[in-house]
Amino acid sequence: DAGITQSPRHKVTETGTPVTLRCHQTENHRYMYWYRQDPGHGLRLIHYSYGVKDTDKGEVSDGYSVSRSKTEDFLLTLESATSSQTSVYFCAIRDDRGNTGELFFGEGSRLTVL
Amino acid sequence: KQEVTQIPAALSVPEGENLVLNCSFTDSAIYNLQWFRQDPGKGLTSLLLIQSSQREQTSGRLNASLDKSSGRSTLYIAASQPGDSATYLCAVVSGTYKYIFGTGTRLKVLA
Repeated sequence: DAGITQSPRHKVTETGTPVTLRCHQTENHRYMYWYRQDPGHGLRLIHYSYGVKDTDKGEVSDGYSVSRSKTEDFLLTLESATSSQTSVYFCAIRDDRGNTGELFFGEGSRLTVL
Repeated sequence: KQEVTQIPAALSVPEGENLVLNCSFTDSAIYNLQWFRQDPGKGLTSLLLIQSSQREQTSGRLNASLDKSSGRSTLYIAASQPGDSATYLCAVVSGTYKYIFGTGTRLKVLA
């Protein structure tokens, strides 16, 4: 367990509004990831971070931005939410200890865009 | 581009049966492979991780094997129980630390 907390856990919003999801970790791991999970598509990488202010795009990054100003927090922002961004969003942490690269997940944030 | 496939997509077995879940990947240059369990409405729970230099890992009734040359991993569940019902996902990671997931096998163990 990497001490991962996601907030909010559930959110309903309207098309065109900005939304920010937060991922918080307690163990100062370097790599953090944002995924979305949709039926028929599985888990797809949105963005990831390899350190403070160091981020890179995943396979479905359009319409999303991220920020990491502190080691413990990784924020995912939907600049102008669309119905296609209705999904469950998962944050994950790569465990740096022992160099095995084991991945641990948060409980998810369910977002509905009306 | 790495692609990960899990077959079958769904599986239903009677309690007590031993079963094998499959994970195939297209690029053998992987750093490690990890198996997860996901219960409905929940996050993913790590089950087993196999590093590229290893052939298998065991945890309780679970055994995962890795054959990089053929691009395959299997998750063996012994003496299945209704509590094993869940979706099982595998993920591979390359040197860029991007994890690529399969779409999962939905397992139902019947009492």
